[in-house]
Amino acid sequence: DAGVIQSPRHEVTEMGQEVTLRCKPISGHNSLFWYRQTMMRGLELLIYFNNNVPIDDSGMPEDRFSAKMPNASFSTLKIQPSEPRDSAVYFCASSYFTGGQETQYFGPGTRLLVL
Amino acid sequence: SQQGEEDPQALSIQEGENATMNCSYKTSINNLQWYRQNSGRGLVHLILIRSNEREKHSGRLRVTLDTSKKSSSLLITASRAADTASYFCATDVDGSGNTGKLIFGQGTTLQVKP
Repeated sequence: DAGVIQSPRHEVTEMGQEVTLRCKPISGHNSLFWYRQTMMRGLELLIYFNNNVPIDDSGMPEDRFSAKMPNASFSTLKIQPSEPRDSAVYFCASSYFTGGQETQYFGPGTRLLVL
Repeated sequence: SQQGEEDPQALSIQEGENATMNCSYKTSINNLQWYRQNSGRGLVHLILIRSNEREKHSGRLRVTLDTSKKSSSLLITASRAADTASYFCATDVDGSGNTGKLIFGQGTTLQVKP
C-alpha cells in the first residue's frame, strides 16, 4: 500500500490567495483526519470524517477554512483567503474505525508558507 | 487544554543510554498511544496500551500506564542515533473510544548523540 498521499508537499503563496490541500487516505480506511502543526501550538486536530461525513469540525480555526470528502478516497482542505498565520505543516491521517483502539496513519504533510 | 502533556520537552542522551519520556493526561481514557515523528515527516504509530494494561513491550520500547495517576511513560532502551525524533502520546477523547478521535500532546524531542 502506498500509504496516505498528500499533495502538494510544499506550497508557497501570497496572502489573500486560495490554497487547496489534497489527501488520499489508505484504501479501506473509513476515517480521515486533518491536522495542523506549528511550533507554537503543536499538533491540532482541525476536522475529521467518518465514512465521508464530517463528524467534528470544532478545530477549524475560522470560516476561511473548509474541508470536503466527496468520496472514500479523496479529501480536500481549503483556505480562502489565506493569511500569513496559516503557515504551518498540514497533515492528513486515516484509520479504520471499528469502535476503539484504532491507530492513525499519517501522510508526509504539506508545508504551507503564506507570504 | 491539552489532553496529553509530555515531559520533558527535550531530552539529549548518548547512544546506548536509555531514554524515558512521560505523558500525563486529564480525563479517563480507553487507550493511550505513542507516536514518533522524524524531522520533516508525518507521525508514525509505535505502540498502543489499553486502559486495563499496565505495561507493554515492543522491541526496545517499553510503555507503562498508571490510570490512577493518569500518566504513561515510554522507555527506549539501548538508544541509537536513528531514534532521534519527537515522540508524542495520544489519547482518545473521553475514554469511550467511540469516535476514533485522538488528542496529541506537545511531544518530547529526543536527540541521541552518536
